[in-house]
Parts: sequence; structure tokens; C-alpha cells
Amino acid sequence: EPEVTQTPSHQVTQMGQEVILRCVPISNHLYFYWYRQILGQKVEFLVSFYNNEISEKSEIFDDQFSVERPDGSNFTLKIRSTKLEDSAMYFCALRDYSYNEQFFGPGTRLTVL
Amino acid sequence: AQSVAQPEDQVNVAEGNPLTVKCTYSVSGNPYLFWYVQYPNRGLQFLLKYITGDNLVKGSYGFEAEFNKSQTSFHLKKPSALVSDSALYFCAVRDLRNNAGNMLTFGGGTRLMVKP
Repeated sequence: EPEVTQTPSHQVTQMGQEVILRCVPISNHLYFYWYRQILGQKVEFLVSFYNNEISEKSEIFDDQFSVERPDGSNFTLKIRSTKLEDSAMYFCALRDYSYNEQFFGPGTRLTVL
Repeated sequence: AQSVAQPEDQVNVAEGNPLTVKCTYSVSGNPYLFWYVQYPNRGLQFLLKYITGDNLVKGSYGFEAEFNKSQTSFHLKKPSALVSDSALYFCAVRDLRNNAGNMLTFGGGTRLMVKP
């Protein structure tokens, strides 16, 4: 089973600030995803990333969000100007051809004050 | 559009008794179906999946799930519950027609409480 780590585990920021959340796959994968879970609510898809480009995104993933894999390893989610409603757990997930399921990281808890 | 419904916010069961966590889905094409479990302050952990083949699939920790196409259901089951099974369970679906990014759509989650 692939391993995924995420940093930081908890991020506290002021409204309007930029944050970068990082996902570090232990082995090489093809498909990368970001999901979020607002406290007490369901897990929601944000974006999928394949072959170094976005392959699908949800309505949540507006112009304030961006993703990249700058060094071929870390997969990052950037929120340019955070809002209070961005407070949530953000999960990275990944998949390769060997599996149909996605494997999730432990999450980053983002708190926007 | 694809969707998943978990009609029960919480399921209570006594240790040693069988448990069922319900899930129904809606997709345009054929579904891939998954169950994930979330323990407190942890990420989502994969339990089992249905892709094709036998309608009864077995997964981790003694869990199994039955795919029922006519009822569009994928209920999670375990013959004998353990206190350590207490957690939040999520059902998820992927529509095979959505082959661009393979996003998962999750249900709202069901909290399973197993009492000694």
C-alpha cells in the first residue's frame, strides 16, 4: 500500500494570507488528488492532477486555488488569499495503475482566523 | 452527476453482534465502489472495493460489502463487531464514464459506535 505524508499537520493563518499545503508520496504515482473535509461535513473533491496538469476540478477549486508538482516529488496545494470558510481538513490522495483505489494522506488541518 | 447516500448518521451495535452500514449510490455508468474508515484525527483508510466480479467483496479487518445493482446499494457488513471498529465510515463511488480524473464522490459518513 502506498504511503503518503502531508505537511504541515496543522496550519493556522490569518484571513487573506497565502498558504501552501504539501503532499509527499513515498513512491512514484501517476494520479494525484486534493480533497477537503469541513468539520462535520462530507469529504469533497477539489482537484485531480495527472501528467503534470490538472485533469479535473470541482466548483470549489476557484482562482484562489492552484496545484503544482514543482520538483517531481512534492505535490502542493496553494490557497492565495485564505477565507474563513477555507478552514477544513485537506487530504492529499494518490493512485497508480496498480490500484483502483486512492490512498489518502493523514491530512492538514487548516484554521483561518 | 454521481452521488452517494448514507442514510444513517450513526449506527450503534453491541460488541459481538453483526453490523451493517448502509450505502446507496447514483451514477450514469457502471460504478466503482469503495469503503473508507476514518479514526479520530486520522486520514481516510481504505477498507475494500467493488470493481467487477463477485457481488460480495471482502476487505480489511473482517469487513465485507455486498454490491446490489438493482438496489444500487453497497452496504458494509461485519459478522461480529469489535469495540475497536468504532469510527467514521465513508462510502464512495467513481463513475467509470468519468475517466478524466477519476474523482471520488463520498457519502456524508456514518459513525459506528460499538459498545462493550
